[in-house]
Amino acid sequence: EPEVTQTPSHQVTQMGQEVILRCVPISNHLYFYWYRQILGQKVEFLVSFYNNEISEKSEIFDDQFSVERPDGSNFTLKIRSTKLEDSAMYFCASRQPAREQFFGPGTRLTVL
Amino acid sequence: AQSVTQPDIHITVSEGASLELRCNYSYGATPYLFWYVQSPGQGLQLLLKYFSGDTLVQGIKGFEAEFKRSQSSFNLRKPSVHWSDAAEYFCAVGAKDSGYALNFGKGTSLLVTP
Repeated sequence: EPEVTQTPSHQVTQMGQEVILRCVPISNHLYFYWYRQILGQKVEFLVSFYNNEISEKSEIFDDQFSVERPDGSNFTLKIRSTKLEDSAMYFCASRQPAREQFFGPGTRLTVL
Repeated sequence: AQSVTQPDIHITVSEGASLELRCNYSYGATPYLFWYVQSPGQGLQLLLKYFSGDTLVQGIKGFEAEFKRSQSSFNLRKPSVHWSDAAEYFCAVGAKDSGYALNFGKGTSLLVTP
């Protein structure tokens, strides 16, 4: 069964460094999402992406964040200058039109 | 404002007992409703979904949920809980006017006792 994959599973970085989280959505899906979950808290929407542009974004998704679909398979989330409060689990999700979202296993980001 | 409420932070049930997890939402548009389960350190697995039609939906692992528009609720049920059901359960709501971005509840942590 097709799955959403994410790499790396765990990323440790120093405050102020740039990180790129990678996702490979399910191949025939057209809509892509990033969410984050701070430890012990609920899952929060960051951004959605369709037709090579951002379709929705939350207040969390400020200028430090960017997303890109550099090729036909990858979907990336970049954090330009990480802060301690960016430490969280980041989930990628994808879906077909009018269907449910399928989530990847997540990348745990630790900012020191 | 759109919101999703899971009133119970923790629930403890005995193995074999029935389970109901509550979810209430406040949305202007007709929502799409979901329940996801998360085991410790794991990702989110879809249990079931409601888009339209029959308001009682069946999901995986013996779970079901009922959409009650008049009560703005989408409660998750299981007639007999197994120890392996211990996990965090999240209700999530999406709507067309927000690009189907999911708004999650804070989750209910289920503990199953022998």
